[in-house]
Amino acid sequence: QVQLQESGPGLVKPSQTLSLTCTVAGGSISSGDYYWSWIRQPPGKGLEWIGYIYYSGSTYYNPSLKSRVSISVDTSQNQFSLKLNSVTAADTAVYYCARDGDDDDSGGYGRMGYWGQGTRVTVSS
Amino acid sequence: QSALTQPPSASGSPGQSVTISCTGTSSDVGAYNYVSWYQQHPGKAPQLMIYEVNKRPSGVPDRFSGSKSGNTASLTVSGLQAEDEADYYCTSYAGSSNLVVFGGGTKLTVL
Repeated sequence: QVQLQESGPGLVKPSQTLSLTCTVAGGSISSGDYYWSWIRQPPGKGLEWIGYIYYSGSTYYNPSLKSRVSISVDTSQNQFSLKLNSVTAADTAVYYCARDGDDDDSGGYGRMGYWGQGTRVTVSS
Repeated sequence: QSALTQPPSASGSPGQSVTISCTGTSSDVGAYNYVSWYQQHPGKAPQLMIYEVNKRPSGVPDRFSGSKSGNTASLTVSGLQAEDEADYYCTSYAGSSNLVVFGGGTKLTVL
């Protein structure tokens, strides 16, 4: 059973860089036709897709965040990471990592069957 | 990238059916059969309920069904149960430039 776990600081100062890591257990990040995703949810609001990465390193981002976001993968550690720079209070949210795609289908189309539990990040001085 | 449009709320009594709509454009919902639906209980991660418009992952009750007509997708929950009370989100693939877009979410209340 695939499991994902987010980790990183829960508090980030305005204008600094938010950095989170997602560790994948129960399967190799390099196997299968999956896209490894980041999604966020501001308090009391809806879900927002941030972007995803293929194990080869190809990345795809939400156009509204593209200038500030970077997603990377470390296949040796079975992890992928999110960096969001120049953060403001509007970036305060629960951040989720997820796997897009399944064993019977290629990923990248919004089919996210495995999610981490989410990690709360607050942007405040 | 515009969010897909969902009604903010929906409700029904136990045993009844309720349908939640998800309206996009000819560039996302209308263009691809890659609509997914997620259920989210308070404080929990979302759970995939429907993918590719009308397919159910293993373990999801057949009370949940999906459909699409033009630029609007729909999720129907039949035989409502108390545990169905949750927030529901749709997503759609939006092509190589916009990729994945979420709906604003619908809060389903079981009366």
